[in-house]
Amino acid sequence: KQEVTQIPAALSVPEGENLVLNCSFTDSAIYNLQWFRQDPGKGLTSLLLIQSSQREQTSGRLNASLDKSSGRSTLYIAASQPGDSATYLCAVSTNAGKSTFGDGTTLTVKP
Amino acid sequence: GAVVSQHPSWVICKSGTSVKIECRSLDFQATTMFWYRQFPKQSLMLMATSNEGSKATYEQGVEKDKFLINHASLTLSTLTVTSAHPEDSSFYICSARPSVGRAETQYFGPGTRLLVL
Repeated sequence: KQEVTQIPAALSVPEGENLVLNCSFTDSAIYNLQWFRQDPGKGLTSLLLIQSSQREQTSGRLNASLDKSSGRSTLYIAASQPGDSATYLCAVSTNAGKSTFGDGTTLTVKP
Repeated sequence: GAVVSQHPSWVICKSGTSVKIECRSLDFQATTMFWYRQFPKQSLMLMATSNEGSKATYEQGVEKDKFLINHASLTLSTLTVTSAHPEDSSFYICSARPSVGRAETQYFGPGTRLLVL
């Protein structure tokens, strides 16, 4: 059974800092990995999708890497802003489309 | 493109009533849709896989008679919470997997918040 772990569970940083969120998974036979953002009481916003054959994806200040063999992914956020404050979820999917989510990292960026 | 909608966005109901939640893929066809549930301060857990024209596949521990899923068309799946109780209060999110094109990914709806009194 696939298990997804996200570390740390919570993170508080001052504005402007670069930061890294970690995601690990136990079964490397994944189809893709996706990072989401969830604001309190809201749904999911997809940030980055990495296919199993890819090593990384970038979008603006966000960069996600994938090391499938070691079961790890990182989400790098550059020059953090208060508006980045949210819970970040990592999800791995099988080729059948089923997703397993981590518990998330709650990020607070202080002005 | 690739928009998934859910209706209603939130619902409050009395214990014992049934609630229907709709999940629609607005600009693509989806043979497969997924239903997830998220309890407060927890992550999303897959409840069931909804397949157009066939019975849904439920994850272990999810009561199929309580959570009725119907996927009658390629753009619509419904989840009915029957005889809802306060412990069913949760955030329900669906996702849809395109039948063609970018079939390797899935697109998530905005979620439906259910509160059972």
